[in-house]
Amino acid sequence: AQSVTQLDSHVSVSEGTPVLLRCNYSSSYSPSLFWYVQHPNKGLQLLLKYTSAATLVKGINGFEAEFKKSETSFHLTKPSAHMSDAAEYFCVVNPNTGNQFYFGTGTSLTVIP
Amino acid sequence: ETGVTQTPRHLVMGMTNKKSLKCEQHLGHNAMYWYKQSAKKPLELMFVYSLEERVENNSVPSRFSPECPNSSHLFLHLHTLQPEDSALYLCASSPRTGVGYTFGSGTRLTVV
Repeated sequence: AQSVTQLDSHVSVSEGTPVLLRCNYSSSYSPSLFWYVQHPNKGLQLLLKYTSAATLVKGINGFEAEFKKSETSFHLTKPSAHMSDAAEYFCVVNPNTGNQFYFGTGTSLTVIP
Repeated sequence: ETGVTQTPRHLVMGMTNKKSLKCEQHLGHNAMYWYKQSAKKPLELMFVYSLEERVENNSVPSRFSPECPNSSHLFLHLHTLQPEDSALYLCASSPRTGVGYTFGSGTRLTVV
């Protein structure tokens, strides 16, 4: 069975401090993993993706994520939060067996000035 | 803009109305999708079209009827909806099925 769990529904950080958004997955296969960001009134935008190459993946806007198979995790990090990072973030798994992508429930990131 | 355009951005409709959501992409993608995003629920895949042929229908009620007249356009026809159908409906496209998506901005639907 496939599933994605985003452990925090809300995360609040101060501007300039690190960001950690947590994601755990379960998959019966070797999955591809993605992080998407959704700003208010905008579509989902791909931040980064893991597709069985390097386990540390760098994305846009300074975000990166590390695939840890032993922990079944794919946490999203950024060293220093910016006000423009405030948005909803979705962790997504594709078990690579078909068309289905499994989305987490999302984490709302608030950045405090 | 992401390259996937959805109209309208917002829609309020009564339960007896008939309306349609439109999605358009000019990215040269061959697969298009409808997703439903309800508050605090995982994004739900509704329909998948590949080369204008429906390849997946995830047990969606018949009051939602998709149409894909060509590889650039996708519609979602709505009729006799229920209040619980109120959600953000997202369209996406991809070069082929199973490869990373480009999403539209969504249509926020409210059923009254």
